[in-house]
Amino acid sequence: SAVISQKPSRDICQRGTSLTIQCQVDSQVTMMFWYRQQPGQSLTLIATANQGSEATYESGFVIDKFPISRPNLTFSTLTVSNMSPEDSSIYLCSVVAGSNEQFFGPGTRLTVL
Amino acid sequence: RKEVEQDPGPFNVPEGATVAFNCTYSNSASQSFFWYRQDCRKEPKLLMSVYSSGNEDGRFTAQLNRASQYISLLIRDSKLSDSATYLCVVPASGGSYIPTFGRGTSLIVHP
Repeated sequence: SAVISQKPSRDICQRGTSLTIQCQVDSQVTMMFWYRQQPGQSLTLIATANQGSEATYESGFVIDKFPISRPNLTFSTLTVSNMSPEDSSIYLCSVVAGSNEQFFGPGTRLTVL
Repeated sequence: RKEVEQDPGPFNVPEGATVAFNCTYSNSASQSFFWYRQDCRKEPKLLMSVYSSGNEDGRFTAQLNRASQYISLLIRDSKLSDSATYLCVVPASGGSYIPTFGRGTSLIVHP
């Protein structure tokens, strides 16, 4: 298994500002994912962040809006840039360990005013 | 056809009831499947993995029907604490692991 922590757990931000979310894993993992989950909705994959390469973004998400860093096998950051109220959501970090089993961080609850 | 489809529910059942959810998938080459449980305002947590025909863990049974391309989750003797959203996950096959989540099925167990 993998234990994941995220910072901050929640934040309230002003429109136009940026927020960087940190994800720390207690073991080295190759594959890391960033998801967004809006109220009442399922998880939407933003990007896959593998160490040593650029993040791969899903349709509808771009690097300028959601820059990602993955400096090593236990850490990643996701920045939500130039925020608008539509970015209000829960952002979840996730890793794959074992036999394709996914583990999730506790999430960052973002509210943009 | 969507990659992973689930009936969103909610399924409203009394304590002690048996309830089953289905999840259909479009990628016939998928080899592994997962059920996750998500409580309100919490992150998803792995409930069961399904690699062959099925898997059983206590009151929970997951089954795979490759011919019809669906997996099911059966919960026997429902408890109030089983109330949650159950997410089906079907990783894409071949190459890198890209998980596809269903939108989840909501279960409400009442006294």
